Formats: sequence, C-alpha cells, structure tokens
Amino acid sequence: ETGVTQSPTHLIKTRGQQVTLRCSSQSGHNTVSWYQQALGQGPQFIFQYYREEENGRGNFPPRFSGLQFPNYSSELNVNALELDDSALYLCASSLSGDHTGELFFGEGSRLTVL
Amino acid sequence: QKEVEQNSGPLSVPEGAIASLNCTYSDRGSQSFFWYRQYSGKSPELIMSIYSNGDKEDGRFTAQLNKASQYVSLLIRDSQPSDSATYLCAVRLYGQNFVFGPGTRLSVLP
Repeated sequence: ETGVTQSPTHLIKTRGQQVTLRCSSQSGHNTVSWYQQALGQGPQFIFQYYREEENGRGNFPPRFSGLQFPNYSSELNVNALELDDSALYLCASSLSGDHTGELFFGEGSRLTVL
Repeated sequence: QKEVEQNSGPLSVPEGAIASLNCTYSDRGSQSFFWYRQYSGKSPELIMSIYSNGDKEDGRFTAQLNKASQYVSLLIRDSQPSDSATYLCAVRLYGQNFVFGPGTRLSVLP
C-alpha cells in the first residue's frame, strides 16, 4: 500500500451532473497529481497541486478543477459531466523536490457517466 | 506533443521465459523513466525507475535506458503467471509532469 487514499471507490452519475473526488496524500508528501485513465489507455495528466496552488495542467477543459488543502489532501471536481468522462481517476502523491520524482498512486475512483 | 509509445500487446510468453517490454519517447529533455505494473481493475504500482544510460537490475527485473535512441525497456526474467498485467512506461519531464504510454499487456502462460 502507498498510503494514498481515495474516495469514493466507485460512483455512477448522469450526464450534466457534477462530481467531487477526494484524495489524501501519503504522509510527508506535499504534492498531489490527478490522472484520468480511460479503459485500455494509459493515465492522462489532469493537473498537479503544490502548496495549495495548481502547478501544472494537462489538456483538460476548465470544467475539471481542483483544490488542495493545508493538510495536502486534494479534491477533483468535474462539472457538466459527459459520457467520455467515464474513467478511473487516479490521485498520486509525491514529494516536491525529490529528485527521484516517483509517483505513488491511490486505488482510484471509478466514475461511470450514464 | 510529448509522446510515449508502447506496443499494446498482448505479449504472451511461457512461464520461465524472459519477457521484453519496449518503450520509446519523443522529448529529448526527459529526465527520469519509470515502469509501472497495473493489474486489471487496480492502480499502477511502481516497479522500476532509471535515470541514466545503461542497465539497472532489481531482482528479476532489468530496466535499460538509451537516451540517444530515446528508448527504454524492461526485461522480466523467469516470468511467472503472477507477472501477467499491463506494464506502463512513464517519462518525467521538467517539474513533475509524468507522461504515460498506453501500456503493454503481458500474459505469462503456465
């Protein structure tokens, strides 16, 4: 286990709804990244948070937003859900400045949009 | 567009054989390279990291990096059925933005 926890593990929404996914980072890690993994594909970088600020963003529209809290936990919010948002959402924590740059993933939140 | 490419597979090898997984990347500025294993329905698990040209061995796993050819590979010796999974190649760019390949599905046949 990596010590990164995510909730909920599974959820079902309908098109147009909004969803919030949560992540607690590994103890001592101050950086959280979010990835989207569609079935049969590799994880795609959504954004990264460091010291409560967005610190890098992938090719995702503004309806994907996030927060990081003082305890380094994080939320991913997706508005106006679309069918293509159905995927496994992975949270990964890391220690900024750690030259190894390793990412430690949580178990993921599987979102189904109907 | 920064890309990481892998053969999607499936790659099938008999138990006890060597499995060879390959990955190419497009950005010459890439600094760090990782192999993650992902079992079906689970999250990726880091198995190897490599930062300089050459080979790095850890148990049955060997990672090989050739920056001139923009190529990284993973060898799994004495493959076991429990090695059957999808193997993701990941490349770390400036900062900590990782780019993942699509993964290669490995099947080790008993």
